[in-house]
Amino acid sequence: GQNIDQPTEMTATEGAIVQINCTYQTSGFNGLFWYQQHAGEAPTFLSYNVLDGLEEKGRFSSFLSRSKGYSYLLLKELQMKDSASYLCAGKDSNYQLIWGAGTKLIIKP
Amino acid sequence: DVKVTQSSRYLVKRTGEKVFLECVQDMDHENMFWYRQDPGLGLRLIYFSYDVKMKEKGDIPEGYSVSREKKERFSLILESASTNQTSMYLCASNGGSLSGANVLTFGAGSRLTVL
Repeated sequence: GQNIDQPTEMTATEGAIVQINCTYQTSGFNGLFWYQQHAGEAPTFLSYNVLDGLEEKGRFSSFLSRSKGYSYLLLKELQMKDSASYLCAGKDSNYQLIWGAGTKLIIKP
Repeated sequence: DVKVTQSSRYLVKRTGEKVFLECVQDMDHENMFWYRQDPGLGLRLIYFSYDVKMKEKGDIPEGYSVSREKKERFSLILESASTNQTSMYLCASNGGSLSGANVLTFGAGSRLTVL
């Protein structure tokens, strides 16, 4: 079956760095997405990886290893506003998105 | 500012009632989606549409139907609401083919409680 696994909850300190991992098993692979969702709000797009390696966008970076079925989202210089859920989603051979349950990130002062 | 608008943020309905959830996008997107979001589960696709009057079943279409009479509007219908349909419903849209890096733009969600 198809599956996306990510930790349920993580806690980090303001100003620090946190890495949120995601492992995936999909029928075929057409890319991996990360979305951010603040409580009570719409998910918003953060990153897309389809080739191996690191994509950097300001304080946020996303990494992909297709051979390992693994991705991570790296958040640097954490701010209180980064408290949110982070959703990992893989696109399968039918171009359908398979979603993880999300990682709730709690930032402490 | 481009938007996906879900007209009802919070609804409370009784078992057996017919429920309409409306979604409108202003980005001229071809593709529209309805998901439900439940605690501890990933987003689950109910239905999607890639063109006016076209619809495709997602992973959990049972108990739901959809309507897309105009490009900008995609409605989710619960013919006879049941308590297990209590959930957050998210509408999303994107343009172009379903392949590639087409990013979804989501609405803020409609939280439905069925008593």
